[in-house]
Amino acid sequence: DIQMTQSPSSLSASVGDRVTITCRASQSISKYLYWYQQKPGKAPKLLIYAASSLQSGVPSRFSGSGSGTDFTLTISSLQAEDFATYYCQQSYRTPLTFGQGTKVEIK
Amino acid sequence: QITLKESGPTLVKPTQTLTLTCTFSGFSLTTSGVGVGWIRQPPGKALEWLALIYWDDDKRYSPSLKSRLTITKDTSKNQVVLTMTNMDPVDTATYYCAMTTLTSDAFDIWGQGTMVTVSS
Repeated sequence: DIQMTQSPSSLSASVGDRVTITCRASQSISKYLYWYQQKPGKAPKLLIYAASSLQSGVPSRFSGSGSGTDFTLTISSLQAEDFATYYCQQSYRTPLTFGQGTKVEIK
Repeated sequence: QITLKESGPTLVKPTQTLTLTCTFSGFSLTTSGVGVGWIRQPPGKALEWLALIYWDDDKRYSPSLKSRLTITKDTSKNQVVLTMTNMDPVDTATYYCAMTTLTSDAFDIWGQGTMVTVSS
């Protein structure tokens, strides 16, 4: 199985901060990497597909980068509605696997 | 507008078989490239992929659960059914279905999820 490791597991930030979350794959996954946002009690929502493509309707303050084994999700200016847990996921090979999540909390 | 909704029992006993139904609208599972997957999330824990079925009836399963899972589709009813045998308390989780396409290869649209508790 391809292991997906996110860092940090949690972070505290203020509105307006630039936030970066990292996801590392245990082997190369090319650009088969996706980012999801999940708020408490809600289903995950796709933010980024193919490592760097913004899903329709997602604010442009979200961006993704990387290829191979190392990927990042960046929120350029954190908004109140962005406090949530973020997950990466690979589809390079089954079983599809998710990272353990990064919780973004209010500072 | 694409929607998916999970349905099934909220409580099952250990050793029983769980049957979950995903009813969707706004797309067809006869369309080339379209798939529906199941993902679960134990309380307070991360997401875990379970199974996936494509328009051409190609099926994929999590190897760790493959012996317990069966995924099927009924295109006339716009439904995907997941069965999981020999349920255990560790299977307590929210179960989600989600749509995927070979274009994005991601889970584009998710259902609201259904919480299943395994307890005697």
